[in-house]
Amino acid sequence: SQTIHQWPATLVQPVGSPLSLECTVEGTSNPNLYWYRQAAGRGLQLLFYSVGIGQISSEVPQNLSASRPQDRQFILSSKKLLLSDSGFYLCAWSVRGGYSGANVLTFGAGSRLTVL
Amino acid sequence: SQQGEEDPQALSIQEGENATMNCSYKTSINNLQWYRQNSGRGLVHLILIRSNEREKHSGRLRVTLDTSKKSSSLLITASRAADTASYFCATINSGGSNYKLTFGKGTLLTVNP
Repeated sequence: SQTIHQWPATLVQPVGSPLSLECTVEGTSNPNLYWYRQAAGRGLQLLFYSVGIGQISSEVPQNLSASRPQDRQFILSSKKLLLSDSGFYLCAWSVRGGYSGANVLTFGAGSRLTVL
Repeated sequence: SQQGEEDPQALSIQEGENATMNCSYKTSINNLQWYRQNSGRGLVHLILIRSNEREKHSGRLRVTLDTSKKSSSLLITASRAADTASYFCATINSGGSNYKLTFGKGTLLTVNP
């Protein structure tokens, strides 16, 4: 069965510090991978998605970046965190090449980032 | 940008009652999905309804879709305390990227025992 791991679960970082959140998927190949951010009491904002190794699409210009060094690994990074980067970050995957338009996501447990 | 908009923002009911949540969206869609999120956790997919479908059932869940009104509803029958969670609708715009699933802000459902 497929599983998705996301870590760390919680972190508190000072403004200006770097960030690295990691996500890995097991039990599937060639997944689509996603990073979403959820601010308190808000919906989900799509940050990045990837349909293959080294292929990253950015949805929101900001000081975050994403990388996909391996097929089932997706990393969210920042060189210098801002206060506004605080939030709940969710990694997700979906099957590549599924029913057209039926992109069902499976989410990780999330990483809560607090920037002080 | 938000595509779906859930209504109400919060709903509190007693165990055993039915809960109805609505979602409105702005552009044509390929399908609409509903997800559930327990507090502090990731989202879990509940059900998908395609644009050519009007109603779909899964256990205690009933989803309707009215593409002429650009709206969907999620009905949870005979609610339980364990149904307490936030519920989100999500859409993929027809003609857009099949990878971009856009979520609403959610309805917080509280089921009181």
